[in-house]
Amino acid sequence: GAVVSQHPSRVICKSGTSVKIECRSLDFQATTMFWYRQFPKQSLMLMATSNEGSKATYEQGVEKDKFLINHASLTLSTLTVTSAHPEDSSFYICSANEVAGAAHTQYFGPGTRLTVL
Amino acid sequence: AQSVTQPDIHITVSEGASLELRCNYSYGATPYLFWYVQSPGQGLQLLLKYFSGDTLVQGIKGFEAEFKRSQSSFNLRKPSVHWSDAAEYFCAGRTGGGNKLTFGTGTQLKVEL
Repeated sequence: GAVVSQHPSRVICKSGTSVKIECRSLDFQATTMFWYRQFPKQSLMLMATSNEGSKATYEQGVEKDKFLINHASLTLSTLTVTSAHPEDSSFYICSANEVAGAAHTQYFGPGTRLTVL
Repeated sequence: AQSVTQPDIHITVSEGASLELRCNYSYGATPYLFWYVQSPGQGLQLLLKYFSGDTLVQGIKGFEAEFKRSQSSFNLRKPSVHWSDAAEYFCAGRTGGGNKLTFGTGTQLKVEL
């Protein structure tokens, strides 16, 4: 099956610093990737849709200047949490859209645990 | 509005027993439906998906799901649960022309030995 990787798997940073998370589709090309946030014991919350070669589309209430998304190639999207604060601590999960004709399926990365001190 | 509902927050079954996790959807047209599983601290793994055709879908790890239009349901089943199946299960759906998934709130499965 399609494989999506995320790096790093875990990161601890000080308040005010920026953190970059990478999401890669390893065996397929993805023009569209997605970034989710998941709070403990809750479902996934879509933050933004990352489109290769164009600007990301952010969901309502998500600060685009705080969560910078870059989708520079068909296999890589990055999420940068700028000036991170403790309330940004969360589990961030990306997914990549594998397209097969009219059908496409999201495959998920293993997630990144961000802790902001 | 489009929605996916998982009525059961927690389910406990004994190892070897059968399992059924419920999922109901609300879409204007036939949605594309998915079941994912998430182990603690991990991402989501795709178990199976339904796009069209045969309403009984086979997935990985011995799981299957049946699309029932009359009941707006897409329940996940497994005839004999293993202790390693303990995890969080998410049902998700999207429209045929859309990219975004709508997730249910998840069902936490506990397996008693």
